[in-house]
Formats: sequence, C-alpha cells, structure tokens
Amino acid sequence: GQNIDQPTEMTATEGAIVQINCTYQTSGFNGLFWYQQHAGEAPTFLSYNVLDGLEEKGRFSSFLSRSKGYSYLLLKELQMKDSASYLCAVRDEDYKLSFGAGTTVTVRA
Amino acid sequence: IAGITQAPTSQILAAGRRMTLRCTQDMRHNAMYWYRQDLGLGLRLIHYSNTAGTTGKGEVPDGYSVSRANTDDFPLTLASAVPSQTSVYFCASSESGPPDTQYFGPGTRLTVL
Repeated sequence: GQNIDQPTEMTATEGAIVQINCTYQTSGFNGLFWYQQHAGEAPTFLSYNVLDGLEEKGRFSSFLSRSKGYSYLLLKELQMKDSASYLCAVRDEDYKLSFGAGTTVTVRA
Repeated sequence: IAGITQAPTSQILAAGRRMTLRCTQDMRHNAMYWYRQDLGLGLRLIHYSNTAGTTGKGEVPDGYSVSRANTDDFPLTLASAVPSQTSVYFCASSESGPPDTQYFGPGTRLTVL
C-alpha cells in the first residue's frame, strides 16, 4: 500500500510563489502525478514525474526525489484562478494510483 | 469529443435501493477506474478495468460491482445502498502508453438516506 502526506491548507498572495510538499511511502513506485481540482469539479492533470529532478510547465513545476520519497509542486506568479485543491498521487507497481487527501490553496488579492 | 461522461450528475437515494452509475468514454482508452472522494480522505479506488472483459478490485470494493462489456462503458452498481456510500463518485480512464495519465469524468454526487 501507499502512505501519502501533504499539507491540508495553504494561503498565499496573488503574484507570489507557493510550494506544496508531498511525501510518500510505497511498496513500489511507477511515477508521481499532480492534479488540480477546483471545488465541485473533476481533478485535472497537471504534471508527471518518474525520474528525479524538476519538470517545468509554464507557471507550474514539479520536483521528485525517489530516494527521499518526496515531491513538491511549485506554483509561480499566483493568480486568483489557482485557488483549488492540489492532489498528489503515486502510482504503484500494479499501475494503480493512490492519492493524498489534497492541499487546498487559497489565493488572496 | 466529449471525453468522459457520467450520469446522473447527482442523485438522492433511499437506503436499500439499487443504483447504477454510468460512465462512458470516447477516447478508446483501455483502462477505466471508479473512485470515491470523501472529505479529508482523498480519492479512493473502488474498482478498475485494464481492458474490456476484465475487472479488478481496488482499495474499497465492498458493496460495489462493475462490468466492462465494451471499451467505452464502465457502469458501477450499488446493489443495496447504505448511508456510508454517500460520496462523490468519479470515473476515470487512462491512455495506453507512458505515462498512462488518468483523466476524470465530471463526477456523480450520491446521497444515501
């Protein structure tokens, strides 16, 4: 099984940077995903890491360290529309995803 | 292209009733999944299907059944609903080939009274 931890809530100011950490303990590892979920909507795919290092996609970046069981999602130049929950998910050796409980990010003007 | 559709959008159901949640995808994805999402617990896998004709149990399968008669459809059935099955249910499908990203439907909000 998987144990995935991420902070429950974070608040930041418009234009700022926020880093959402995710730690995991797994019985196997086949990649880590980040999803964004606005209230009342479906999760949408943001990023994928399978090798150590940083993946950058515009204002969003995701980092992975497999040896430390650690990832973070970095949101730069925050906008009001970035207010959402961010879900960390780890894929195991059977290609099944296990999700963290999610981090609710509130962006304030 | 619609992607993944789910029906109904929401439903209030009396305990003991049978209910089928529908999920259809038009992306020709081989794998499909059902999750439930509860406050503070995140998404939990109920059942999955790697390809048409096969299904498997996820983390919380009790009280639920699925079938996969074809590639596009993956219905989830609650044989006799109980209040603890009150949740938001998401269907997902994943593309074939790396990174096999999962894409989610809009969800069904189910309340069992």
